[in-house]
Amino acid sequence: SYVLTQAPSVSVAPGQTARITCGGENVGLMSVHWYRQRPGQAPVLVVFDDSDRPSGIPERFSGSNSGNTATLTISRVEDGDEADYYCQVWHVDNVHPGVVFGGGTRLTVL
Amino acid sequence: QVQLLQSGTELKKPGSSMNVSCKVSGGTSLRKGINWVRQAPGQGLEWMGGIIPLRGARNYAQKFQDRITITADESTNTAYMALISLTSEDTAVYYCARDIAAAGAVFDLWGQGTLVTVS
Repeated sequence: SYVLTQAPSVSVAPGQTARITCGGENVGLMSVHWYRQRPGQAPVLVVFDDSDRPSGIPERFSGSNSGNTATLTISRVEDGDEADYYCQVWHVDNVHPGVVFGGGTRLTVL
Repeated sequence: QVQLLQSGTELKKPGSSMNVSCKVSGGTSLRKGINWVRQAPGQGLEWMGGIIPLRGARNYAQKFQDRITITADESTNTAYMALISLTSEDTAVYYCARDIAAAGAVFDLWGQGTLVTVS
């Protein structure tokens, strides 16, 4: 089955830039979506189709995807960005297409 | 305001079954698709399956294929997820999520979550 790999944790100081990566075989050929989950809350979509933002998500959130790595970039990090971030794709194979989530990355704001 | 409202906390015995509901309210329909995702304590997100009433289609994760049934009642705008033969490993928060993708899956709106404890 298809696997998306994320680093367990990333730390960044306020005002700096956080980069959260999502690795997968030829993930650049798929559309990658990103979710933020704060403790005790449901996930929230922050980037879809590699680099689009839903309404209400600040421009500080951006995404890219190429080759075997997709990246969520959070500029000018704020305390409120501290959360778990998950990447997600729809993987199609001959046997069993379906949704795949990465293992999640905890962003800590120092 | 569009919301997904899920049923409440459940405590289940091993070997029993669960049935969680997800009502779509606020002026949108569930016809384009509702999916179910669960999260075990301290763990990540795990996709279970989804339904697209518009297409009459269901898609289940292979792991749950033999135990899960997802249905939708368009008259009440409510989706349901049933899981049988529960074990302690099914203890988790279960989320429903609206899918907005024309192809694939993108979840733009999530329910508040339903905690199911199997013990």
